[in-house]
Amino acid sequence: NAGVMQNPRHLVRRRGQEARLRCSPMKGHSHVYWYRQLPEEGLKFMVYLQKENIIDESGMPKERFSAEFPKEGPSILRIQQVVRGDSAAYFCASSPPAGTFSPLHFGNGTRLTVT
Amino acid sequence: GIQVEQSPPDLILQEGANSTLRCNFSDSVNNLQWFHQNPWGQLINLFYIPSGTKQNGRLSATTVATERYSLLYISSSQTTDSGVYFCAGGGSNYKLTFGKGTLLTVNP
Repeated sequence: NAGVMQNPRHLVRRRGQEARLRCSPMKGHSHVYWYRQLPEEGLKFMVYLQKENIIDESGMPKERFSAEFPKEGPSILRIQQVVRGDSAAYFCASSPPAGTFSPLHFGNGTRLTVT
Repeated sequence: GIQVEQSPPDLILQEGANSTLRCNFSDSVNNLQWFHQNPWGQLINLFYIPSGTKQNGRLSATTVATERYSLLYISSSQTTDSGVYFCAGGGSNYKLTFGKGTLLTVNP
């Protein structure tokens, strides 16, 4: 079984450009979670989505960041007008519909570099 | 929110040595997990352990929920154990607060 798939693995953007990060959950999973890891720090929760629904976006910056998980296709984390402070590793995890307590398994992450 | 403190921040071992990593929580958590981030940046889930003790090969973990701490034991360390070890906890099934991690270096 394929795990959580994220792409691209590395992304370089100039200041002011847009970044789109994609996450395909494990087969049968309909819940997706995005976390961000700034350099030399632990991960921080950003957003929790179900198909076509944002459940908890309390960790998302109020401006420039958005996330979606459409009925078909991967979950997308979108960062508009990127700034140098957005440089980080972005990780995605998924879980089955039950949403019970279970181990979180992350994808390999997308490393965003803003120049 | 919950505060997570990990100790030690850095640890250097010779191959074959044993070690104990500690994680303290400022409040009770229903969800507690340990992760290993390898030198390539991949995050591997080691344990889901809100209470009790679990073992997986050379690794084991113990959580004392009433005292709000968890321990990760690494026995007979190998160079492949190098990386950053994170503990993370929370009250929900998805919103984990991570500690700053313990950077482990195992020398041959």
